[in-house]
Amino acid sequence: SQQGEEDPQALSIQEGENATMNCSYKTSINNLQWYRQNSGRGLVHLILIRSNEREKHSGRLRVTLDTSKKSSSLLITASRAADTASYFCATGTTGGGNKLTFGTGTQLKVEL
Amino acid sequence: SQTIHQWPATLVQPVGSPLSLECTVEGTSNPNLYWYRQAAGRGLQLLFYSVGIGQISSEVPQNLSASRPQDRQFILSSKKLLLSDSGFYLCAWSVMGQGMAQYFGPGTRLTVT
Repeated sequence: SQQGEEDPQALSIQEGENATMNCSYKTSINNLQWYRQNSGRGLVHLILIRSNEREKHSGRLRVTLDTSKKSSSLLITASRAADTASYFCATGTTGGGNKLTFGTGTQLKVEL
Repeated sequence: SQTIHQWPATLVQPVGSPLSLECTVEGTSNPNLYWYRQAAGRGLQLLFYSVGIGQISSEVPQNLSASRPQDRQFILSSKKLLLSDSGFYLCAWSVMGQGMAQYFGPGTRLTVT
């Protein structure tokens, strides 16, 4: 079953604008990760935030985590056409195997 | 550096035929290995994961099976494909432990006709 639900399902912005995607989940987590998928390709890991962290940055990416609301957001600043892709959140728990449960994804289109 | 390979890239198979998808990882030892399926426009569904040779955990009951005959080799199989087995199959690896990133292969697009 899908643990995370991304919002919006689709987002279209102009190059240079910021893009914000949200993820909500249902159960307690150990960590939350964001991945990018270009059409027809494998997923690429972007950033990981642990349950005891509230905010994390990596280049143009900023991730926040609110465990009391069971939600996370991914902000991409100064977007570029190359950022066009689907973005997925994935949650990990303390069970064995480092398993992740993926959300349904947000399709981001950055137009020139 | 670590790399992950999957083949074939695309596959068209008739209903009732067998399936074998292979995934290999280079540049790491004792990885956790994962098989996911992605339906069109959807998120990923974890099918199987493995924490060691011969150790397979199944996440959903289905027409598929997995095996790990070597440390860095993960195989997804079926004896008889169903139409519902169509999808995009992704293999991934991570280092052992909790809270680790997963690294994905390029995927196999399977169409069952």
